[in-house]
Amino acid sequence: RKEVEQDPGPFNVPEGATVAFNCTYSNSASQSFFWYRQDCRKEPKLLMSVYSSGNEDGRFTAQLNRASQYISLLIRDSKLSDSATYLCVVRGNTGFQKLVFGTGTRLLVSP
Amino acid sequence: DTGVSQNPRHKITKRGQNVTFRCDPISEHNRLYWYRQTLGQGPEFLTYFQNEAQLEKSRLLSDRFSAERPKGSFSTLEIQRTEQGDSAMYLCASSAELQGQGMNTEAFFGQGTRLTVV
Repeated sequence: RKEVEQDPGPFNVPEGATVAFNCTYSNSASQSFFWYRQDCRKEPKLLMSVYSSGNEDGRFTAQLNRASQYISLLIRDSKLSDSATYLCVVRGNTGFQKLVFGTGTRLLVSP
Repeated sequence: DTGVSQNPRHKITKRGQNVTFRCDPISEHNRLYWYRQTLGQGPEFLTYFQNEAQLEKSRLLSDRFSAERPKGSFSTLEIQRTEQGDSAMYLCASSAELQGQGMNTEAFFGQGTRLTVV
């Protein structure tokens, strides 16, 4: 079983739609969680951290469910510019705290 | 530009040749990571440094791969006797550990070095 699992998609949605991605992780000791965005042939860039209480940044909302070991990302009012791959990232709190990435979920927003 | 810098951006090499990539992290960051990414996959962890110490190395990293960070600043990743399967994007990232707080900041990535082995 992969340490971090995501549905690769693609998710095809029209502009203005609301779309949600989930990500599951296997290491219950994980303590830090992030969503990164990656455009085609570019480096990953931090979209937002995911806090235990959940957090919101404009149209983006991230949630963490420790009991079920999953993280979610909700995008409201999708824009064409939201088309990208969204990477779920998990870091443990023990050992050497490497960042573990999911395979990414591809989002395509169409006019 | 004060972000993570990687050189070269692109490298084409013949199978069997050695290649070396360089990464200059954000100056105040003490952690440096190397990842490899192929098409349609997320970045795969290769190795990481805390200052000059290499703390973890993936089993994905064969004996042909070696990484160094001699002065705790820039890092190099060398691949010896390259194989076609080594073709990928090699990404470097850096982050800062907040001493005594058991947490660290998010990792910031460089633009990567795209390796093509022919």
